[in-house]
Amino acid sequence: EVQLVQSGAEVKKPGESLKISCKNSGYKFTGYWIAWVRQMPGKGLEWMGIIYPGDSDTRYNPSFQGRVTISADPSTSTAFLQWSSLEASDTAIYFCARQFLTVPTAFDYWGQGTQVTVSS
Amino acid sequence: SSELTQDPAVSVALGQTVRIICQGDSLSTYFASWHRQKPRQAPVLVIYGQNNRPSGIPDRFSGSTSGNTASLTITGAQAEDEGDYYCTSRDNSGDHVLFGGGTKLTV
Repeated sequence: EVQLVQSGAEVKKPGESLKISCKNSGYKFTGYWIAWVRQMPGKGLEWMGIIYPGDSDTRYNPSFQGRVTISADPSTSTAFLQWSSLEASDTAIYFCARQFLTVPTAFDYWGQGTQVTVSS
Repeated sequence: SSELTQDPAVSVALGQTVRIICQGDSLSTYFASWHRQKPRQAPVLVIYGQNNRPSGIPDRFSGSTSGNTASLTITGAQAEDEGDYYCTSRDNSGDHVLFGGGTKLTV
């Protein structure tokens, strides 16, 4: 069974760093792209970027380039999203999602979401 | 920059047919996919690659494209179909994925 299990909710202060995770199981992790998607409170979904764990090829939405870093560890089948300096506007739910193998715009499995709250 | 536009909300009577649309320049080049999100849940893929349904999605869901408009049609809407529906496509560069703003469906 394919599963994407994300790390738990985080409460941070502005300026702090953070790394959240997405543990994958039930399939060959290095053979699929993994995306990160943001959902701000009461808002829609935003594609942040994507990584191919097989070779670490990474693409970013220009709106998030330089603000976050996407990485993956094939040895633990885990993808990561990290910030070096959080802002209040980073408060959101973050989802990881597996890209459908042959259709880049489709995500067939999703993590449960990680709530990130940034407040002083 | 590229973007996908959706109506904010649509309603349909139980058992009737509803069409949810998504407009964007990139749709004339790339197929749309559709995801549904229910409150406090992760999204679920309902249509991919123009008109393909993942396992477990009922056949009352179908997709189509005409020009720069993609459509998701639910024929015989059920109460469990309520939720926010998001279209996705590539941007004009082909390198990135776009989400539409989402359409809240009320049955």
